[in-house]
Amino acid sequence: EDKVVQSPLSLVVHEGDTVTLNCSYEVTNFRSLLWYKQEKKAPTFLFMLTSSGIEKKSGRLSSILDKKELFSILNITATQTGDSAVYLCAVAYSGAGSYQLTFGKGTKLSVIP
Amino acid sequence: DAGVTQSPTHLIKTRGQQVTLRCSPKSGHDTVSWYQQALGQGPQFIFQYYEEEERQRGNFPDRFSGHQFPNYSSELNVNALLLGDSALYLCASSLYWGNEQYFGPGTRLTVT
Repeated sequence: EDKVVQSPLSLVVHEGDTVTLNCSYEVTNFRSLLWYKQEKKAPTFLFMLTSSGIEKKSGRLSSILDKKELFSILNITATQTGDSAVYLCAVAYSGAGSYQLTFGKGTKLSVIP
Repeated sequence: DAGVTQSPTHLIKTRGQQVTLRCSPKSGHDTVSWYQQALGQGPQFIFQYYEEEERQRGNFPDRFSGHQFPNYSSELNVNALLLGDSALYLCASSLYWGNEQYFGPGTRLTVT
């Protein structure tokens, strides 16, 4: 059975701390791994990773994929209260054409002043 | 450029009733996927529509059905509602041969 496991499930840090969120997966026909941020309702897209070892960065957020060990990490440096959210990891897999996403349960990050 | 829109935002139904949720994809997208997100869980894939046909389906019973219209918008129908169907229902749009899925704000369904 395909699965995506995120850890930790919840995390409380102080503003300015650096955090690392983990995502491991077991799927067949892997296509890509995606990270989303969910604050209230709609998950908002952060990164899509398809190749091992290539770091993607956006401001204070960065992510990398290891396709050999089947995991990804999402790093957030100099955290701010606005980073408080649930961070979802999803793996895309399929045959030809489009794909479906399998999500982990998410990591709830709380950043306190 | 309008993003993904969904309606209604909230809905309260009674067990045994039927419900229809609606989704309009992001401009330029041709594929709509539906997800169910229970409280404290990640979204679970229900099904995906492209060219007005169901292309992929997750592990959901036949009570869950859908439709895609020529303008790419989509509906999710759930029959014979159960208490366990209470969840946030998310619609995501994409290009069929593309990579990223963009989510709408969701419809919160409560079944009493």
